Amino acid sequence: EVQLVESGGGLVQPGGSLRLSCATSGFTFTTSWMSWVRQAPGKGLEWVANIDQDGSGKNYVDSVKGRFTISRDNAETSLYLQMNSLRVEDTAVYYCVRDRLPSVYRGLDVWGQGTTVIVSS
Amino acid sequence: DIVMTQSPLFLPVTPGEPASISCRSSQSLLHSNGYNYVDWYLQKPGQSPQLLIYLGSRRASGVPDRVSGSGSGTDFTLKINRVEAEDVGVYFCMQGLQSPRTFGEGTKVDI
Repeated sequence: EVQLVESGGGLVQPGGSLRLSCATSGFTFTTSWMSWVRQAPGKGLEWVANIDQDGSGKNYVDSVKGRFTISRDNAETSLYLQMNSLRVEDTAVYYCVRDRLPSVYRGLDVWGQGTTVIVSS
Repeated sequence: DIVMTQSPLFLPVTPGEPASISCRSSQSLLHSNGYNYVDWYLQKPGQSPQLLIYLGSRRASGVPDRVSGSGSGTDFTLKINRVEAEDVGVYFCMQGLQSPRTFGEGTKVDI
């Protein structure tokens, strides 16, 4: 069974930092791109960042560029999101999501249960 | 960035009746490979989103054939042939053609 399990969310003050983790299992992690998608309370979905299969290619939404860093550890089959200089508007549920294969687009086909980040003083 | 616009934003439905959601993109999502890079997702109440349709019309694993996607270029449609109670939730379209990926606002479907 394919599983994505996020952790690391919590309450942090504006300007603070958090590191989200996503432990994966049940699929070949080393060939999959991975994404983070977030959802603010009562709002829609916002794609945050993705990373290619070996970590050499990364993309970010403009609102997090320079503050967030996506990374992966293929040996540990884990995905990470380092979030610095957090703002109130970063408050959201953050989902770890399986993304495409290098030569095959399949949508965002597997989602974790999400981890909640609250930025507040 | 590509803007995705959904309509309607709220859709009351009747079990057994058809339902349809529209999604329009600010740029063509047709790739040179002939595929339209648009997906549809459903977020049921209290759950994580789930993939329904990718590349415009391909059903994800486990999605019933009464759910279908169509369209090309900038105009796309998600259709449910016969609505069931399990179909309630918020439906999102998303473009996967270029970064940043962008979602529509969401369409809330309720009985």
